[in-house]
Amino acid sequence: GENVEQHPSTLSVQEGDSAVIKCTYSDSASNYFPWYKQELGKRPQLIIDIRSNVGEKKDQRIAVTLNKTAKHFSLHITETQPEDSAVYFCVPGFQKLVFGTGTRLLVSP
Amino acid sequence: GAVVSQHPSRVICKSGTSVKIECRSLDFQATTMFWYRQFPKKSLMLMATSNEGSKATYEQGVEKDKFLINHASLTLSTLTVTSAHPEDSSFYICSARDLSRGSTDTQYFGPGTRLTVL
Repeated sequence: GENVEQHPSTLSVQEGDSAVIKCTYSDSASNYFPWYKQELGKRPQLIIDIRSNVGEKKDQRIAVTLNKTAKHFSLHITETQPEDSAVYFCVPGFQKLVFGTGTRLLVSP
Repeated sequence: GAVVSQHPSRVICKSGTSVKIECRSLDFQATTMFWYRQFPKKSLMLMATSNEGSKATYEQGVEKDKFLINHASLTLSTLTVTSAHPEDSSFYICSARDLSRGSTDTQYFGPGTRLTVL
């Protein structure tokens, strides 16, 4: 089955810094690449997604870049804020989504 | 739009009993729903894909006779944990796709159900 790994597993930054999380996947059939944010005890929420015909997408402070040849895509958060603290999951998929291992982001004031 | 609800939000039961969890799409029709399980500080693991009007498709390693899934209508899927044991204690989350929004990929998640088996 699909093997999805994220790096780093934990990321601590100061408020205002940038954060980058990388996701590598194994299934070359994946054509949909979303990132979800999950706060403690809450449901995952979609924050940004990209499809395989696009290399980069940006939405305000959040961006996603895709390298389909190398089978990895990354989440970029600029000007981080304490409320960005959460666990982030990459969830590449074709007909079903497979959650990555998760990255715990901590933004200190 | 694209709201998914779950009921109950929390349930505590005794070992050996069965527990039913409901997942509803409130403002859209979902021909396909998904059930996930999440242990503390772990990722979400897909358990099964629930198809309206047909049998669910289970992931490898998930016992279909223990985790019964029924998708009786376009807005409701249920997961029944039969003969629950303490190791079944987990956070169960469902999701659904809203095909009317033009995206066949985006999944919307329910708020989750925390099951504790004593």
